[in-house]
Amino acid sequence: DAGVTQSPTHLIKTRGQQVTLRCSPKSGHDTVSWYQQALGQGPQFIFQYYEEEERQRGNFPDRFSGHQYPNYSSELNVNALLLGDSALYLCASSLAPGGGSGANVLTFGAGSRLTVL
Amino acid sequence: QQQVKQSPQSLIVQKGGISIINCAYENTAFDYFPWYQQFPGKGPALLIAIRPDVSEKKEGRFTISFNKSAKQFSLHIMDSQPGDSATYFCAASYGNTNAGKSTFGDGTTLTVKP
Repeated sequence: DAGVTQSPTHLIKTRGQQVTLRCSPKSGHDTVSWYQQALGQGPQFIFQYYEEEERQRGNFPDRFSGHQYPNYSSELNVNALLLGDSALYLCASSLAPGGGSGANVLTFGAGSRLTVL
Repeated sequence: QQQVKQSPQSLIVQKGGISIINCAYENTAFDYFPWYQQFPGKGPALLIAIRPDVSEKKEGRFTISFNKSAKQFSLHIMDSQPGDSATYFCAASYGNTNAGKSTFGDGTTLTVKP
């Protein structure tokens, strides 16, 4: 049973560029949440996608956007990259919000490590 | 504003000892409190979780103690093993419709010496 898969695992960009990160949720999960984990810190919630719509959003600027496809896979896009965007980006999948206790159980991928130079 | 504060930042324990990590939260609306374990190069993995209607939950060597009035909860690892060496995060979320939006502590790096 495949868990959450993310790609790419590592990437290097320069300031001002744009990046797209991809995530395939765990089999049976239909909701994807994205988190940013800076070095030495806990993950911070960026946003959540369910039924191809952004359902919740954390305290991140509009430069961060996303998309969910009908097969539940998701993308995170970051425009106009800043040095401070360097971090590990984690994708977590779960059952739909409001769908019972399973909605709280997050399964994380290994992350995409973004370095902005 | 950090809503979940975790301590200590790092912890060194001898094999067979007890590891204790503490977290305090501010938002009384939180109703789900998980602990995650993260190894280098991996994403966080759910270890154990508790809801505020119970004061303690045990799964194998791992126990969560929960104090609702103090707004604190802790993870106890009994008979700590070198394989437990990892970073541990506490987290909190609230409401079934907000599920998935978790607030994390800053993590505790645990080293278990053989």
